[in-house]
Amino acid sequence: AQSVTQLDSHVSVSEGTPVLLRCNYSSSYSPSLFWYVQHPNKGLQLLLKYTSAATLVKGINGFEAEFKKSETSFHLTKPSAHMSDAAEYFCVAPSGTYKYIFGTGTRLKVLA
Amino acid sequence: DTAVSQTPKYLVTQMGNDKSIKCEQNLGHDTMYWYKQDSKKFLKIMFSYNNKELIINETVPNRFSPKSPDKAHLNLHINSLELGDSAVYFCASSQDGTAIWEQYFGPGTRLTVT
Repeated sequence: AQSVTQLDSHVSVSEGTPVLLRCNYSSSYSPSLFWYVQHPNKGLQLLLKYTSAATLVKGINGFEAEFKKSETSFHLTKPSAHMSDAAEYFCVAPSGTYKYIFGTGTRLKVLA
Repeated sequence: DTAVSQTPKYLVTQMGNDKSIKCEQNLGHDTMYWYKQDSKKFLKIMFSYNNKELIINETVPNRFSPKSPDKAHLNLHINSLELGDSAVYFCASSQDGTAIWEQYFGPGTRLTVT
């Protein structure tokens, strides 16, 4: 069965320090993986997606993620956190056509 | 130019009532979805539609009835509301149902059942 595991439910970083949000997947189907961000009381916004073109994917707002097939990981990183990065982040994988599975989310807190 | 819009944004109602949430996308996408987000932020798919046809019904109680009058609209009607229906409901769309396409989400409808 397909699954997406976000390894940390909460991550706290200081402003200006690197961000690492971890995601492991298990899917015999998935040709793609996604990261979405949800700011408080807002809908989800796509940060970046992997579709097998390149293993290092750059997204919006300075985020990037690396697909590592050997480790079944798709971790999200950013070199320098900004206060506006505080939000909930979701790793998502397709689970067949017309269906996606979401990780349980990682809440990122950025300390001044 | 809102890509995916939902109305209403907030819905407060009593147990036993019937309510509807409307969703519209102006992206020309073929596929639309309804998700439920619980209080712990967990997102679970409820329904997927492609070109007005129901594709996925993820064991949702039959009190929930989606309707898609055309491929740009997907509405959700809920009968006999229960306390456990309190959640945020998100509509989303994608180019089609193949796995390579990202989803675009609406702003959500926060449903509170008292």
